[in-house]
Amino acid sequence: DTAVSQTPKYLVTQMGNDKSIKCEQNLGHDTMYWYKQDSKKFLKIMFSYNNKELIINETVPNRFSPKSPDKAHLNLHINSLELGDSAVYFCASSQEVVLSEQYFGPGTRLTVT
Amino acid sequence: ELKVEQNPLFLSMQEGKNYTIYCNYSTTSDRLYWYRQDPGKSLESLFVLLSNGAVKQEGRLMASLDTKARLSTLHITAAVHDLSATYFCAVDWRGGGADGLTFGKGTHLIIQP
Repeated sequence: DTAVSQTPKYLVTQMGNDKSIKCEQNLGHDTMYWYKQDSKKFLKIMFSYNNKELIINETVPNRFSPKSPDKAHLNLHINSLELGDSAVYFCASSQEVVLSEQYFGPGTRLTVT
Repeated sequence: ELKVEQNPLFLSMQEGKNYTIYCNYSTTSDRLYWYRQDPGKSLESLFVLLSNGAVKQEGRLMASLDTKARLSTLHITAAVHDLSATYFCAVDWRGGGADGLTFGKGTHLIIQP
């Protein structure tokens, strides 16, 4: 009965590869997010997405692209991985109308070698 | 651009003591959240503060919000070792960019027996 789940939990890959991280929420929320947490634990919003609109943080390279096959899923695809992409990526969801807190997934630790 | 500043960033304290973590933010908002993160884990929602003067308490933790001062506090009473973690405040600001939470840098709290 996990609320927000992510796969994989760990991802080790080489520079230049393309990889995807999957996220699913079973809370019935209509808004999902991707955050990046760097080695200094700093968390930064990358994308927010609901049925109506994708909002992209302008500092995110266009190598990163969110893809949402349906309301319960928001996957993150990364092209041409770079060393600086190494981080923990968190998916989150919230109910936009209620403006309640965001529920976070367990995170995916990405290591680019 | 919204800025969220926490202080202190690192706090080592003894069990039984009281202390306060401060969270200042730069732009008008009446939605502030506190999260806890244990090492290698996800973010756990602690408090949602949605109005000026809001005060919430859970166990030894109490959070408050002063929207006029753009300040939130997280007060720890009679600290115990189990409260050791990193605490983040986050502000929900819909003024532009990716809709999502803007996080402070986190307060790494160590409570020693």
